[in-house]
Amino acid sequence: DADVTQTPRNRITKTGKRIMLECSQTKGHDRMYWYRQDPGLGLRLIYYSFDVKDINKGEISDGYSVSRQAQAKFSLSLESAIPNQTALYFCATSDLGSYGEQFFGPGTRLTVL
Amino acid sequence: AQSVSQHNHHVILSEAASLELGCNYSYGGTVNLFWYVQYPGQHLQLLLKYFSGDPLVKGIKGFEAEFIKSKFSFNLRKPSVQWSDTAEYFCAVNARSGTYKYIFGTGTRLKVLA
Repeated sequence: DADVTQTPRNRITKTGKRIMLECSQTKGHDRMYWYRQDPGLGLRLIYYSFDVKDINKGEISDGYSVSRQAQAKFSLSLESAIPNQTALYFCATSDLGSYGEQFFGPGTRLTVL
Repeated sequence: AQSVSQHNHHVILSEAASLELGCNYSYGGTVNLFWYVQYPGQHLQLLLKYFSGDPLVKGIKGFEAEFIKSKFSFNLRKPSVQWSDTAEYFCAVNARSGTYKYIFGTGTRLKVLA
């Protein structure tokens, strides 16, 4: 499903570097989300946005920031990457009328050395 | 605090065996319930969902789940698994009111042996 795309798909970086992960969607959904997936911990919500002017912290927002540039674009930044931010990051979207069903992007595998 | 528990972290079955994966949630209000599947190397996809009505919901690929409100459970079942069902399965709960809450369980890795 190419409706939600993420770039880059893989990234290796060093501690202290600033990293931006980008998400774009063509589904026309207002709501967008960033999750990280760690083995044994499932998916945890980092930030979410219900429209362009609405940004909310999730359960693990420390060390991350986001920008909603347009309805279709939602980027996640790590201002100063650290090794425990090594994870698989997923962007997702949902429509208000879909009772919460979320549509996921392919993920970005980030490694912080 | 709202939480979702998946008690089976790893399950190994032979083809044609029956599957039941447990999911329990803790939230006193009205919820929407979901099962997502993540095939190896792929992103999460919706398997099935429950919003209201018949507590037995059917999803894709022969999966079904039963919502038992009194037990706060939403277990996933399949009568006969196939090798292609090898994947990780996530239960998720979305609270219908109040502060936005969309909580995923920690996942269950299913391996089906051919």
